[in-house]
Amino acid sequence: EAQVTQNPRYLITVTGKKLTVTCSQNMNHEYMSWYRQDPGLGLRQIYYSMNVEVTDKGDVPEGYKVSRKEKRNFPLILESPSPNQTSLYFCASSSQDSIGEPQHFGDGTRLSIL
Amino acid sequence: GIQVEQSPPDLILQEGANSTLRCNFSDSVNNLQWFHQNPWGQLINLFYIPSGTKQNGRLSATTVATERYSLLYISSSQTTDSGVYFCAERDNYGQNFVFGPGTRLSVLP
Repeated sequence: EAQVTQNPRYLITVTGKKLTVTCSQNMNHEYMSWYRQDPGLGLRQIYYSMNVEVTDKGDVPEGYKVSRKEKRNFPLILESPSPNQTSLYFCASSSQDSIGEPQHFGDGTRLSIL
Repeated sequence: GIQVEQSPPDLILQEGANSTLRCNFSDSVNNLQWFHQNPWGQLINLFYIPSGTKQNGRLSATTVATERYSLLYISSSQTTDSGVYFCAERDNYGQNFVFGPGTRLSVLP
């Protein structure tokens, strides 16, 4: 089954404790991205990747890192999480750098940073 | 970058009613997508529709790229249609996607 898998689905942690949210897709997609969703602000793109070893900032990249060492994986790293990063996070993927193809989303990761 | 507006922000319907949701863009449209976020938070892709009209069951969408808007039609609505509907477009100055603020739909039994 074609899917985008995020882990964990839920996480409560404390300020400053490094965490990684994993994202994996099994569709051989070139394009992957991370979004955060906040009440009243909608979905905003954090980082995206056009292909392996190619990553770019989205609209709200501050406080986040990503890597794309393999085509299927695109982890989101919070080196020193802060409470303002409490949010619902989505990973997405699509083929051919998203031109002409819809994005497929993971089920989301709800992060609470105390 | 591109600005995306959606209307109405909220919509309450009785089961069986029809509805039209609208998305307006400040820049040219070439990668428009509609999504449904269900009450469990999952985002489901409904349509990729940069132009023209598509139909999928009770849902259909029309994009008029020259006038920079898209419409999502929901006919004979069901309670399972409840949730938030988003449209999104790719910013022409980059590769990032921009989402509209969404329309929250509540279908009452």
